[in-house]
Amino acid sequence: EAGVAQSPRYKIIEKRQSVAFWCNPISGHATLYWYQQILGQGPKLLIQFQNNGVVDDSQLPKDRFSAERLKGVDSTLKIQPAKLEDSAVYLCASAGVTANEKLFFGSGTQLSVL
Amino acid sequence: GDSVTQMEGPVTLSEEAFLTINCTYTATGYPSLFWYVQYPGEGLQLLLKATKADDKGSNKGFEATYRKETTSFHLEKGSVQVSDSAVYFCALSEGTGGFKTIFGAGTRLFVKA
Repeated sequence: EAGVAQSPRYKIIEKRQSVAFWCNPISGHATLYWYQQILGQGPKLLIQFQNNGVVDDSQLPKDRFSAERLKGVDSTLKIQPAKLEDSAVYLCASAGVTANEKLFFGSGTQLSVL
Repeated sequence: GDSVTQMEGPVTLSEEAFLTINCTYTATGYPSLFWYVQYPGEGLQLLLKATKADDKGSNKGFEATYRKETTSFHLEKGSVQVSDSAVYFCALSEGTGGFKTIFGAGTRLFVKA
């Protein structure tokens, strides 16, 4: 079974530039998450999709972050413009539709904003 | 809102020592509880889970019991190995359809030979 695919693996940009991350979840998984993991901290939920609808984006900084999940499959997360504090690992995860199902994580994209 | 609190690390143990990592949670309903592990250079993966009160999750010698009365889900292992060195995250998931998974801050474990 193929896992959650994310790209790129690493990205280095300067502040005020834009960046985009891509995620392809496990086939058939209805739920897709984007998490931000700052060094030394736990993953912080940015946005959650159920199929192609947004379930929770309460912690997404909407003035600079955007995300979409077209056709309920793969997803992109964009930051424009980036700030120094956006330096983190961006994790994509997918799961089924019930709360007792585990999340499958991708390898993440490590973003450095200089 | 829902939240997860873990004991701060790092935790440093000698091989074969007993491990406890404390985790408590706050939730409005009846969440499912999880421990995820992140080994050096690897992604997050599920270690064990429990979906209702008094359930015990277990895997690879690790155990955790869902205690509703104390809102806790402490992780234990009787004899740790060097290969258990990793970061451990407690998490909860609640709701149906629109459920979300919230993570604690993580506890780093170092096991020395």
